[in-house]
Amino acid sequence: GESVGLHLPTLSVQEGDNSIINCAYSNSASDYFIWYKQESGKGPQFIIDIRSNMDKRQGQRVTVLLNKTVKHLSLQIAATQPGDSAVYFCAETFQGAQKLVFGQGTRLTINP
Amino acid sequence: NAGVMQNPRHLVRRRGQEARLRCSPMKGHSHVYWYRQLPEEGLKFMVYLQKENIIDESGMPKERFSAEFPKEGPSILRIQQVVRGDSAAYFCASSPRGTGGLYEQYFGPGTRLTVT
Repeated sequence: GESVGLHLPTLSVQEGDNSIINCAYSNSASDYFIWYKQESGKGPQFIIDIRSNMDKRQGQRVTVLLNKTVKHLSLQIAATQPGDSAVYFCAETFQGAQKLVFGQGTRLTINP
Repeated sequence: NAGVMQNPRHLVRRRGQEARLRCSPMKGHSHVYWYRQLPEEGLKFMVYLQKENIIDESGMPKERFSAEFPKEGPSILRIQQVVRGDSAAYFCASSPRGTGGLYEQYFGPGTRLTVT
């Protein structure tokens, strides 16, 4: 069935370093992927998305890479800041599905 | 433009009581989704509604749970005869059109339900 999983449940990085959060998905029919950031006590906040006809998309300080061959998604955060501390979720869906399938999440902590 | 509103933010119910969770989508959005999140887990889809219609309720438990999105007013997620296992954060999301894999869903702050 559909599932989205993450390689690492926690990630600790030094402030100023780059962070890479990984995600594996199993549904080859998925054609739209989203990264969400969730801070403690809040709802998921959209970070960046990517469609399956792309393999890379860049935003402000964030880049999402999609490798459809191995069904892998990653989120890169450049120059990580204390405000980046949160749980990051990848989510997938496909045209006509109407619902998002979320992964377990990766907790990112920033060391000063 | 106000975001997705949910209330209450925190709700405590005793076993056997009813819980009503409300969601007002973003202005101009007519598609609403409900998700449940257990501690330290990802969000799990429950139901997708448009005004006056339930489109997909494949993630809803068969008993005790119901949802509606009336023509006027907020969407309501109703849990009857709550049990401790219902304790979770319930999130509502809205989108301007059916996501269908193509449109972003905007999430509210969630309602944290605690069943004692």
